[in-house]
Amino acid sequence: SYVVTQPPSVSVAPGQTARISCGGNNIGDKGVHWYQQKPGQAPVLVVHDDDARPSGIPERISGSNSGNTATLTISRVEAGDEADYYCQVWDSDSDHYVFGTGTKVTVL
Amino acid sequence: EVQLVESGGGLVQPGGSLRLSCAASGFTFSRYWMTWVRQAPGKGLEWVANIKKDGSEKYYVDSLKGRFTISRDNAKNSLSLQMNSLRAEDTAVYYCAREGVGVWYFDLWGRGTLVTVSS
Repeated sequence: SYVVTQPPSVSVAPGQTARISCGGNNIGDKGVHWYQQKPGQAPVLVVHDDDARPSGIPERISGSNSGNTATLTISRVEAGDEADYYCQVWDSDSDHYVFGTGTKVTVL
Repeated sequence: EVQLVESGGGLVQPGGSLRLSCAASGFTFSRYWMTWVRQAPGKGLEWVANIKKDGSEKYYVDSLKGRFTISRDNAKNSLSLQMNSLRAEDTAVYYCAREGVGVWYFDLWGRGTLVTVSS
């Protein structure tokens, strides 16, 4: 089955930029979606189809996808961005959804 | 209000069964594929199963080995997950989620219901 890997953690100072990677074999050929999950809460979609933002998601959050890596970028990081972030793809070979392993973003 | 509300979680002994429900409101339930996602304590998200708009197609994560069954009742705007032969590793928060129309992501999530499998 398709495997998607993320770094376990990313630390960033307020006002700086956080970049979260999501790796998979030729993931650039797939649509990648990103969710933010704060403690005790359900996940929230923050980026879909590589780089599109749902309404209400700030422009500081953006996505890209090419080759074997997709990236979620959070610019001008704020304390409220501290959360777990998961990437997700659809694996057409298995007709299964696949989540990345998740990345905890810590704001220093 | 557009929302999903899960229910039915609780404590169950290993080998036991449990049925989860998800009540949908504020949107036309029958137009959407629906999914169950689970999250073990302190762990990541795991897709469990999904079901087509009319219930005619169902897909499951391979590791379940036939123990779980997803179903829906469009007349009642309800999604269900029947879980049998439960194991300790099934302990998790189970989320109901809506798949966007014609897309491959989840645009609406419930708050989840906790299932604990323990003796």
